[in-house]
Amino acid sequence: KQEVTQIPAALSVPEGENLVLNCSFTDSAIYNLQWFRQDPGKGLTSLLLIQSSQREQTSGRLNASLDKSSGRSTLYIAASQPGDSATYLCAVHYGNNRLAFGKGNQVVVIP
Amino acid sequence: ETGVTQTPRHLVMGMTNKKSLKCEQHLGHNAMYWYKQSAKKPLELMFVYSLEERVENNSVPSRFSPECPNSSHLFLHLHTLQPEDSALYLCASSQGATGGILGYTFGSGTRLTVV
Repeated sequence: KQEVTQIPAALSVPEGENLVLNCSFTDSAIYNLQWFRQDPGKGLTSLLLIQSSQREQTSGRLNASLDKSSGRSTLYIAASQPGDSATYLCAVHYGNNRLAFGKGNQVVVIP
Repeated sequence: ETGVTQTPRHLVMGMTNKKSLKCEQHLGHNAMYWYKQSAKKPLELMFVYSLEERVENNSVPSRFSPECPNSSHLFLHLHTLQPEDSALYLCASSQGATGGILGYTFGSGTRLTVV
């Protein structure tokens, strides 16, 4: 069974600092990995999708890397803003219609 | 409307009630999912429909009954729920069994409270 771990569970940073969020998974046989953002009581918003053949994806201030062999992904958010405060979820697609989630990184950006 | 739409946004029901959650996707995807999100737990997959056929039933109690009348609509029928069923219920859709090139798209969820 695929297990996904996200560290740290929660973090607070001052505005302007770069954010580094880590995700690890136990089975390297994955199709892709997807990072989501979730605001309190809301649904999930897709941020980045990395296919298993790719090493990284970028969108604006966001960059996600994937090291499949070591079972790791990192989400970088450059120059954090208060609006980046949310929970960030890592999800690993490891089989037909199977997506395993971590518990999330809860981020607070302090103005 | 675009994306994945869920109704209602909030639902409070007694343990003897029967209610339904609705999900509609406008993306042309061929797979739809129900997830449960409880506090301090990872998202739990409940049901998967691919090409309108149920392909996954993740040991979910029979008081939850899914229905997929077509590739754009998904329902979750609820009856005789327990207080521990209170959670955020999320619907998602994707193209293909591995998520395609865009991955999964989620709705805004239904916050369910069982009293």
